Amino acid sequence: DAKTTQPNSMESNEEEPVHLPCNHSTISGTDYIHWYRQLPSQGPEYVIHGLTSNVNNRMASLAIAEDRKSSTLILHRATLRDAAVYYCILRATNFGNEKLTFGTGTRLTIIP
Amino acid sequence: GAVVSQHPSWVICKSGTSVKIECRSLDFQATTMFWYRQFPKQSLMLMATSNEGSKATYEQGVEKDKFLINHASLTLSTLTVTSAHPEDSSFYICSARPPLGTSGRRREQFFGPGTRLTVL
Repeated sequence: DAKTTQPNSMESNEEEPVHLPCNHSTISGTDYIHWYRQLPSQGPEYVIHGLTSNVNNRMASLAIAEDRKSSTLILHRATLRDAAVYYCILRATNFGNEKLTFGTGTRLTIIP
Repeated sequence: GAVVSQHPSWVICKSGTSVKIECRSLDFQATTMFWYRQFPKQSLMLMATSNEGSKATYEQGVEKDKFLINHASLTLSTLTVTSAHPEDSSFYICSARPPLGTSGRRREQFFGPGTRLTVL
């Protein structure tokens, strides 16, 4: 599986936007970029995913670089409930390969 | 959204006993479920892929005779930790994916809330 690189930790003030970067320089042309987050003592939850174009949903936005070697998860207005570990994961489009390989992720701390 | 449940949410057992953890997809059928293990301050490590009606596929280094997986129906997979020891104490998490073709959600995996196992 292609690897991703994320900062170990980030801090942000409450009610401000947060930009979480992810580098994936070895991404293949058919890899989807997935983001999941894990709140303390819970299972991960899906945040967003994309292939080439930027994506928006009710939780966040995903900005994908033109060369697809990096992406940024954007939380438009962070709240205390967004404090979590955020994982950027590449997933092959081969439907026979559904595994998600979790890296170390970014621990996001929200400052009140 | 789709819901995956786990039971129990936590369990404490004596060394040498076996513990069964259930993973259920509550509102969708899942032909494939996944089992992860997470030690404190670490990331999730995939243990095995559970396929309904067939043998599970274990990741390298995971003992199949110690971590028994049964996926007997499209909504239930179980993980049994046999002869548990203190080093097996961990947070066990399952996930499931709706069937291919489910509109808009087919690439999303849904995770259970986890089961915290403590072996004394």
